[in-house]
Amino acid sequence: EADIYQTPRYLVIGTGKKITLECSQTMGHDKMYWYQQDPGMELHLIHYSYGVNSTEKGDLSSESTVSRIRTEHFPLTLESARPSHTSQYLCASRRGQLTLHFGNGTRLTVT
Amino acid sequence: AQSVSQHNHHVILSEAASLELGCNYSYGGTVNLFWYVQYPGQHLQLLLKYFSGDPLVKGIKGFEAEFIKSKFSFNLRKPSVQWSDTAEYFCAVNADTDKLIFGTGTRLQVFP
Repeated sequence: EADIYQTPRYLVIGTGKKITLECSQTMGHDKMYWYQQDPGMELHLIHYSYGVNSTEKGDLSSESTVSRIRTEHFPLTLESARPSHTSQYLCASRRGQLTLHFGNGTRLTVT
Repeated sequence: AQSVSQHNHHVILSEAASLELGCNYSYGGTVNLFWYVQYPGQHLQLLLKYFSGDPLVKGIKGFEAEFIKSKFSFNLRKPSVQWSDTAEYFCAVNADTDKLIFGTGTRLQVFP
């Protein structure tokens, strides 16, 4: 059972809109991650955080930004959504080098 | 840079057949290795992991994986699959960084 929550579960939005994908975890994990997953493709790391006020870009270039003001919260923002942003976004967290816990994901469609 | 290769993109089996999914990684140092599973409509969850010790690790639901350092491999196995094993399986590696690198995934379909 996941203790990491992502909202919304599905989002369909028009081009040019600003969106924020929410991610919260109740496990007190220090490290949090955002992955982008397209069907039949690997998960690509787009952002990660080691703790409060720490954010880093991942291996896949992304126009999104993240913030980590509180340990439990790691939102991802797209200032101006485009059809190329259509994908599934997965949030994950872990303590140290331990197992990564995933949320259910947000499936984003930009029309 | 680290990378993970899963050679089987789509595997179709009948129930009771044996399963082996390949996973190879590229990194010469110490690694932590994982297999994650994603059942239809559900979130990714850990199937099993290898950090150190016995290279044959057992996970949930009868799955096991063997770490062969000389081959840079961490193949997933199950002697007899069930319809409920239908899912997508991801191999992942974590080496000297806090980033977990995933393979492209293998979609497994099991028919009764």
